[in-house]
Amino acid sequence: EIVLTQSPGTLSLSPGERATLSCRASQSVGRNYLAWFQQKPGQAPRLLIHGASSRATGIPDRFSGSGSGTDFTLTVSRLEPEDFAVYYCQQYADSPRTFGQGTKVEIK
Amino acid sequence: EVQLVESGGGLAQPGGSLRLSCTASGFTFSSYSMNWVRQVPGKGLECVSFIDSSSSPGSILYADSVRGRFTISRDNAKNSLYLQMNSLTVEDTGLYYCARGDGSGAWLIDSWGQGTLVTVSS
Repeated sequence: EIVLTQSPGTLSLSPGERATLSCRASQSVGRNYLAWFQQKPGQAPRLLIHGASSRATGIPDRFSGSGSGTDFTLTVSRLEPEDFAVYYCQQYADSPRTFGQGTKVEIK
Repeated sequence: EVQLVESGGGLAQPGGSLRLSCTASGFTFSSYSMNWVRQVPGKGLECVSFIDSSSSPGSILYADSVRGRFTISRDNAKNSLYLQMNSLTVEDTGLYYCARGDGSGAWLIDSWGQGTLVTVSS
């Protein structure tokens, strides 16, 4: 199975700052089938990015995804108060589909 | 608006059974693959089971951790998804989400319900 490792575990930033989250796969993710989800306390995950770099419907353009093969990045260009949350990457190329362990973006 | 509402969670004893249900609205249910995903604090997110839109054999997947104990099914006439959970263990404790595939044929999840909590304890 493809193991996804996210770093850092926690990111402490201020509103307006740039957030850069990493997701590394144990083997190449086919067709760059890599997604990013945001989860806030008490809520279900929400799809942000699919295909490594395509924003889901309704997602603001301050969210962007990049990368290919085994290294992927989610960038939030300027953090808004509502962006402080946990972010998960997931590969959906191979079965079993797997998630990273998450990166928490907290207010500094 | 896509809505997915789970029910059926609760407290079960080890070795017991539960049946989860998910009622879908706001989209053509029969055209979309569906999933059950669970979240265990401290262990993250796990795709438990997948069923394709056609419900045909070969279009169902299970995590190794639940294969042989859990059964996914769907009733397109009732816009409903189910998960029959047998031989439950404490490791099955978690929040179970019903989640929709994106309709492209890939295994991407694009919408989630709010989840139903399963607790397995004696």
